[in-house]
Amino acid sequence: GQNIDQPTEMTATEGAIVQINCTYQTSGFNGLFWYQQHAGEAPTFLSYNVLDGLEEKGRFSSFLSRSKGYSYLLLKELQMKDSASYLCAVRDRAAGNKLTFGGGTRVLVKP
Amino acid sequence: EAQVTQNPRYLITVTGKKLTVTCSQNMNHEYMSWYRQDPGLGLRQIYYSMNVEVTDKGDVPEGYKVSRKEKRNFPLILESPSPNQTSLYFCASSLSPGELFFGEGSRLTVL
Repeated sequence: GQNIDQPTEMTATEGAIVQINCTYQTSGFNGLFWYQQHAGEAPTFLSYNVLDGLEEKGRFSSFLSRSKGYSYLLLKELQMKDSASYLCAVRDRAAGNKLTFGGGTRVLVKP
Repeated sequence: EAQVTQNPRYLITVTGKKLTVTCSQNMNHEYMSWYRQDPGLGLRQIYYSMNVEVTDKGDVPEGYKVSRKEKRNFPLILESPSPNQTSLYFCASSLSPGELFFGEGSRLTVL
């Protein structure tokens, strides 16, 4: 099975930077995904990492270290609209490429 | 417009009364999946389908059935709903497991 851990909640100030960590254990790692979910809405895809390193997409970046079973999502120049839950998900080829989600990290951006 | 459509969006029902939540996608995606989301437990996969007539159990399949007779449709069936199936349900689709497109969600209450 898989074990995916991320902090439950984080608070940050508008304009600042927040880093959301995700650690995982899986037997057949085949990609890590980040999703954003605003309260009462559906998750939306943010980023995908399958090789080690940093992927940058505007204000959002995602990093992966496969040897450490670790990823982070970096949100820069925080805006109020970034208040949401951020979900880490891992795909496991040993489980037929099943995608398993972590519990999500709720980020609250304060003025 | 590319979308995943679920119906109903909201439903209150009683224990034992069979219900179906429909899911339809217009992106010609092969992969479809159902999740339930509960506070503190995150997104948990109920069933998934890699293609027409191919379905498999996720992490929490008990009490649910699915079918995939056409590529675009993936209905979720609760033969005899119970109160522990009160939850927020999401249907999702993609070309392969990973970058998922989610429906808007169906909030189900079983009394």
